[in-house]
Amino acid sequence: GENVEQHPSTLSVQEGDSAVIKCTYSDSASNYFPWYKQELGKRPQLIIDIRSNVGEKKDQRIAVTLNKTAKHFSLHITETQPEDSAVYFCAAANAGKSTFGDGTTLTVKP
Amino acid sequence: ETGVTQTPRHLVMGMTNKKSLKCEQHLGHNAMYWYKQSAKKPLELMFVYSLEERVENNSVPSRFSPECPNSSHLFLHLHTLQPEDSALYLCASSHRAIPNNEQFFGPGTRLTVL
Repeated sequence: GENVEQHPSTLSVQEGDSAVIKCTYSDSASNYFPWYKQELGKRPQLIIDIRSNVGEKKDQRIAVTLNKTAKHFSLHITETQPEDSAVYFCAAANAGKSTFGDGTTLTVKP
Repeated sequence: ETGVTQTPRHLVMGMTNKKSLKCEQHLGHNAMYWYKQSAKKPLELMFVYSLEERVENNSVPSRFSPECPNSSHLFLHLHTLQPEDSALYLCASSHRAIPNNEQFFGPGTRLTVL
C-alpha cells in the first residue's frame, strides 16, 4: 500500500518568514495530493491541492510543488502570520483512498 | 460550518457496551469516509463509501462496523472496543470518491473506552 512520510514534524518560524513542509510517497499510482490545515480543536480543512498532471500550483501565500519522478511534493507558505499556526497534513490519494502524513506542527512566532 | 455534522460529540463507553456514531452531510456528496485520529497515527483512513457501497476497508478490526443507508448518512457501530480504540473519529464527505477530490470533515466524535 501507499506510504507517506512528512517532514519536519515540528516547525517554528518568525512572523514574515517562509515555511516549507515536505512529503514523499511510495505509490506511483497516486494522482491527487491535498494539503489540510487543522487548527487546535478544529476539523481539518483543505488549503490547497494538486493533481499529478501539474507541477506547481499557487494560491496567494501558499504554493505546492510536485515532483512525480522523485515522488515528493512540498507546501510553501510565504510571509507567515500567527494565524498560520496549526497542524498541516499532506496526503497522497488514488482510487478513493487517501493516505495521510503524520502532520507538521507549525508555530509562527510574532 | 462545512455541512458535515457528527453525533455525539463526546462518548464514553465500557468495553462491553454497544454504541453507534452518526454522520450526516448536507452537501449533496456521493462519497463518505471514516477516519481515526489519535496521537499514534494522526489521520488514519478506516472506511470509504461511494454511492452507498463500501469501496475501501483499511484492515479495520471487526469490532468496528460501518453502515451507509443512503448518500447523506454514515454510521459507525461499535462493540466490545478496547481502551486503545480511544480516539477522535472523524467523518468526511466528498463529491465523488473517484477521482479523488477535496474532503469536507465533520467536527469529530471524541471516544473514550474505559
